[in-house]
Amino acid sequence: GAVVSQHPSRVICKSGTSVKIECRSLDFQATTMFWYRQFPKQSLMLMATSNEGSKATYEQGVEKDKFLINHASLTLSTLTVTSAHPEDSSFYICSAEEGGRNTGELFFGEGSRLTVL
Amino acid sequence: AQTVTQSQPEMSVQEAETVTLSCTYDTSESDYYLFWYKQPPSRQMILVIRQEAYKQQNATENRFSVNFQKAAKSFSLKISDSQLGDAAMYFCGTMGRGSEKLVFGKGTKLTVNP
Repeated sequence: GAVVSQHPSRVICKSGTSVKIECRSLDFQATTMFWYRQFPKQSLMLMATSNEGSKATYEQGVEKDKFLINHASLTLSTLTVTSAHPEDSSFYICSAEEGGRNTGELFFGEGSRLTVL
Repeated sequence: AQTVTQSQPEMSVQEAETVTLSCTYDTSESDYYLFWYKQPPSRQMILVIRQEAYKQQNATENRFSVNFQKAAKSFSLKISDSQLGDAAMYFCGTMGRGSEKLVFGKGTKLTVNP
């Protein structure tokens, strides 16, 4: 099956710094990728839809200036948490659908755990 | 709008036995998909089974099958011959065809007892 990889898997940063998380589709092209946030023992909440070559679409309540998303190529989307604070600590997961297949199946990355001190 | 409800926060089953996880949903989409994803301790989401809403036949993948009741908006997952490796969080989800926005339920934690 298609593979989506995230990097880094874990990151610890100081409050006020920015952190970038990468999401790559390794063996397929993805015109659209999705970013989710998961708090401990909770479900995945969609944060934004990342569209290759255009601006991301953010879900209601998600600060677009806080969570910058860039989808510069068909295989890479990045999520940058700007001026991170402890409340941004969470598990961030990306997913992608293989372009053109229209099967509805999303492939998920391994997730990235962010800890803000 | 789409909502997914999983009424069982936790379930347990004996190894080799059968367990059913419940899921109900609501959607304004006329054509949509339904999914069950598994999230093991490694945290990576893995697709267990997928159902296209326009298909009446219940999807089956080896030991995993669904009971899709479209009128009742119910989409339960049956795991037969449970194995220790089945222990995980299971999330039910729905997505409108073409929308790509997948909405999940809160999940059910499945424990498999040896």
